[in-house]
Amino acid sequence: SQQGEEDPQALSIQEGENATMNCSYKTSINNLQWYRQNSGRGLVHLILIRSNEREKHSGRLRVTLDTSKKSSSLLITASRAADTASYFCATNKPNDYKLSFGAGTTVTVRA
Amino acid sequence: GAVVSQHPSRVICKSGTSVKIECRSLDFQATTMFWYRQFPKKSLMLMATSNEGSKATYEQGVEKDKFLINHASLTLSTLTVTSAHPEDSSFYICSAGRVDEQFFGPGTRLTVL
Repeated sequence: SQQGEEDPQALSIQEGENATMNCSYKTSINNLQWYRQNSGRGLVHLILIRSNEREKHSGRLRVTLDTSKKSSSLLITASRAADTASYFCATNKPNDYKLSFGAGTTVTVRA
Repeated sequence: GAVVSQHPSRVICKSGTSVKIECRSLDFQATTMFWYRQFPKKSLMLMATSNEGSKATYEQGVEKDKFLINHASLTLSTLTVTSAHPEDSSFYICSAGRVDEQFFGPGTRLTVL
């Protein structure tokens, strides 16, 4: 079953602006991952944050995790047109390969 | 990262026919692969876990006789949609990898007329 919920569902920003999206989940997790999906394509792994981590950076991406609130955020800084895509959070429970995906946030970056 | 391929990328079939979708891990061995289904503008729904050399594990509500999964080797899993109907039209995606990183195939768009 899907346990991640994301908001907003859709986001439209100007190139150069930052994009922030949030993900909430319901059960204990081993780690939380963020993926990007371009229209009609497969998913690309962006970043993983473990349950004992609070913040992680990768290039223009910044992810935070608050296990007390069971939530995570993904920040994309200095957005580009190529960042236009859907972004999904996914969680897995301890010792479990299975991923449970959030509903996703569709980001449109306007040139 | 590792590469997972899917074949075909698109398939159109008539109602009542069966369609086979292949998922291959190209540069690593995968004892476990996953099959997902995605409706337009929706999230991925896990259908089943494909285990090399043993039966697949299906998620609740997924008909195992409808969606046949075979994982005959460490690099290949197949999903067969049997007696397909228009409601089976969807985007099917497979993945393989580690517990902390899954590599996804490019997906297969199935359209049943």
